[in-house]
Amino acid sequence: KAGVTQTPRYLIKTRGQQVTLSCSPISGHRSVSWYQQTPGQGLQFLFEYFSETQRNKGNFPGRFSGRQFSNSRSEMNVSTLELGDSALYLCASSLYQGANEKLFFGSGTQLSVL
Amino acid sequence: DQQVKQNSPSLSVQEGRISILNCDYTNSMFDYFLWYKKYPAEGPTFLISISSIKDKNEDGRFTVFLNKSAKHLSLHIVPSQPGDSAVYFCAARVGAQKLVFGQGTRLTINP
Repeated sequence: KAGVTQTPRYLIKTRGQQVTLSCSPISGHRSVSWYQQTPGQGLQFLFEYFSETQRNKGNFPGRFSGRQFSNSRSEMNVSTLELGDSALYLCASSLYQGANEKLFFGSGTQLSVL
Repeated sequence: DQQVKQNSPSLSVQEGRISILNCDYTNSMFDYFLWYKKYPAEGPTFLISISSIKDKNEDGRFTVFLNKSAKHLSLHIVPSQPGDSAVYFCAARVGAQKLVFGQGTRLTINP
């Protein structure tokens, strides 16, 4: 069974541009979450989607948005990029959106904003 | 507001000895706790979890302890092996809400 796949692995953008990151969950998983990892800050929750609906949202500005498609694949978009958006963006999937569900992570997309 | 805190950014342990990673939390509503391990250039992988109704869970060399009164979680690795060198994240959640992660602790196992 293939794991969580994130594309692209690396991305370099300049300030003011916008970017779209893609995530394909493990087959059969219906819940997808996105996290931002920066040094010293750990993993900061962005949002979670289940059956194409956003179920939870973190404390990020509106420049960060996402969506989930009917096949559970998810995309995350960041508009008007800022230098501080440079980070590793991780996608995770789980079977359901349940209390004891474990998240399975992809390898992430490393975004550098110049 | 950091609800889950890992106050040690790094830890160095000799091979064969016990590694103890600590995690403190502030939200008493957390009812499920997990530890993840992360190697460079890879995503975090699930290691072990514990429900708030338990105070200990063991899986091979890994044991997680939960002290609810102190709002403290710890991960014990015995014996430590070179392959255990990684960044360890503790995480917690309330019901089906988002998983909240700590900042991570970099564990280095020295031969």
